[in-house]
Amino acid sequence: GAGVSQSPSNKVTEKGKDVELRCDPISGHTALYWYRQSLGQGLEFLIYFQGNSAPDKSGLPSDRFSAERTGGSVSTLTIQRTQQEDSAVYLCASSLAGAAYGYTFGSGTRLTVV
Amino acid sequence: AQSVTQPDIHITVSEGASLELRCNYSYGATPYLFWYVQSPGQGLQLLLKYFSGDTLVQGIKGFEAEFKRSQSSFNLRKPSVHWSDAAEYFCAVGTNDMRFGAGTRLTVKP
Repeated sequence: GAGVSQSPSNKVTEKGKDVELRCDPISGHTALYWYRQSLGQGLEFLIYFQGNSAPDKSGLPSDRFSAERTGGSVSTLTIQRTQQEDSAVYLCASSLAGAAYGYTFGSGTRLTVV
Repeated sequence: AQSVTQPDIHITVSEGASLELRCNYSYGATPYLFWYVQSPGQGLQLLLKYFSGDTLVQGIKGFEAEFKRSQSSFNLRKPSVHWSDAAEYFCAVGTNDMRFGAGTRLTVKP
C-alpha cells in the first residue's frame, strides 16, 4: 500500500482482556517496528523485525506483550490481560531496510483500558 | 546503549523569531541521527537525517540541524518560525532501530 496502515484506530477494552493490534507495512519494506507513546511521553521502543531474522524484543515491557510478523509483511501486537497502564497510542513504522532509510509511521492505534 | 535527551519539554517562540531545539545523544559509534515532527492529530513525519559527511544538514519546511560530535549534539534550527510549525518535535538516534527522545513541544505566539 501507499502507507503504513494500522487497525483499529481506536480500541477501548476492559481491564484483563486481551487485545490485538494490526500493522500493515509498506509493500517491500523489510523492517517493521512497534513503539508506544503514552500521554505527554516520547516514543518507547517495543520490538523490531528485520526480514527473516529473529526479532529484537528488548523493548517489550512485560511477558504480557508479544508480537509476530507473518510472511514478512503484516504484524500483530498482542497484549494479554490488559492493565490500565497499557493505555497509550501504539505506533507501527516500517522502513526499506533499517533505520538508516528513515521510518514511515502509521497513524497509530489509541488503546484505552477501562 | 543508545539514548537521546531533549532537555526542553516545552518552548514558546514568537512567529518570525528564530528557533533552536536541543538534542543530545549517547551512542557507541557514529550514529545516524534524525528529527521527526508530530503535528496535532497527525502522524510522525521525518524532517531530516544525518548519516555522515557535511555536519550541517538541510531538511524539509526550512529546518536544518547541525551535528557536533564533540558535544554529542544534533540541534534543530529554523531562522524564522511560522505558526504552522507548532507541533511536537522528536530527536532520534540509531542504525537498525531508533531510540527517540521525550520530545519538545513548540508553541508559536502570534
